[in-house]
Amino acid sequence: KNQVEQSPQSLIILEGKNCTLQCNYTVSPFSNLRWYKQDTGRGPVSLTIMTFSENTKSNGRYTATLDADTKQSSLHITASQLSDSASYICVVRRGGGNKLTFGTGTQLKVEL
Amino acid sequence: DGGITQSPKYLFRKEGQNVTLSCEQNLNHDAMYWYRQDPGQGLRLIYYSQIVNDFQKGDIAEGYSVSREKKESFPLTVTSAQKNPTAFYLCASSIPGQWVYGYTFGSGTRLTVV
Repeated sequence: KNQVEQSPQSLIILEGKNCTLQCNYTVSPFSNLRWYKQDTGRGPVSLTIMTFSENTKSNGRYTATLDADTKQSSLHITASQLSDSASYICVVRRGGGNKLTFGTGTQLKVEL
Repeated sequence: DGGITQSPKYLFRKEGQNVTLSCEQNLNHDAMYWYRQDPGQGLRLIYYSQIVNDFQKGDIAEGYSVSREKKESFPLTVTSAQKNPTAFYLCASSIPGQWVYGYTFGSGTRLTVV
């Protein structure tokens, strides 16, 4: 069964600290993996996309990694800010089609 | 600015009532999608359309209907047959086959049954 699992479910960190969110998937065949940020009551916004051949990709303070062999991805947030408080969703596209599988998200709260 | 506009932001439905959620985009995207988001669950696909006058059922289409008469518009009707409609509904659009660009999402409509 094609699934995307994220951990932790929720996370609270202090402003300025770093954190890492995890995404494990069983989707096959794999096409690409994307991380979205979703603010409360808003639609998701894409942070980064990872294809099979990419190991690391950065977007400002966000760095995503992908290990296609172990089917794991992580999103590292550096020097967190209050505005980073949101849900972070991992989405995997299956190869050969238009099918997306969404993770349940990690709810991040950054506090002073 | 190009984007997707969903309206209304909040919607209340009485038992047995049909309601329609609006989704309009000015991105010139051919493909449009409707997703449902419930707490603790990933987004689930309701309906999608790759081209005007054509649409396909997603994973949870029962109790919903859509139309695609214009490229810019993809309204979703939640019918009385949908027994548990309370959820956050998201509309999205994309360029078919251009996976690198991903989906552009609207800001969502929160539907509550009263």
